[in-house]
Amino acid sequence: GAVVSQHPSWVICKSGTSVKIECRSLDFQATTMFWYRQFPKQSLMLMATSNEGSKATYEQGVEKDKFLINHASLTLSTLTVTSAHPEDSSFYICSARATSGKREQYFGPGTRLTVT
Amino acid sequence: RKEVEQDPGPFNVPEGATVAFNCTYSNSASQSFFWYRQDCRKEPKLLMSVYSSGNEDGRFTAQLNRASQYISLLIRDSKLSDSATYLCVVNTGTASKLTFGTGTRLQVTL
Repeated sequence: GAVVSQHPSWVICKSGTSVKIECRSLDFQATTMFWYRQFPKQSLMLMATSNEGSKATYEQGVEKDKFLINHASLTLSTLTVTSAHPEDSSFYICSARATSGKREQYFGPGTRLTVT
Repeated sequence: RKEVEQDPGPFNVPEGATVAFNCTYSNSASQSFFWYRQDCRKEPKLLMSVYSSGNEDGRFTAQLNRASQYISLLIRDSKLSDSATYLCVVNTGTASKLTFGTGTRLQVTL
């Protein structure tokens, strides 16, 4: 089946620093990728929709200047959490939708971010 | 009102039991419906899509009632490995955005 990878799988950083998370579709091309955040005991919340070659679409309440998304190729999207604070500590998950064939979304394994 | 609502559980059932999960959604324009399974500290994995006519995959049966905006998942002959959180997911059709319920936790015991 389709594989989506994320890197890093976990990261600990100090408050005020920036962290970049990569999402790659390994065996298919993805025009659209989605970034989600999941806090403990809560559901996944969509943060933004990332489209290759164009600006990302952010959900209401998500600061685009804080969560920078770049989708430079059909297999890679990156999310940069700028000036991270402890409240940004969460499980960040990406998903990718194939450009052809079955259009279902495939999820990456997630990145656990802890900001100290 | 949440867009997708589920009973959070947990549901504690013995091995071999039949268990049913329910889900309601608020957007009548929703077009696609899914059940995902999420293990602790892992990403969600698609369990099955849900069709209006109802569909079955082995021990799992999903039903959709569009008039009531209600989705269900039935698990027969529960296994220990079925222990997980089951997420009800709805696609309203806008750029394939998925809306997740908070999940129902299932614990199958010996």
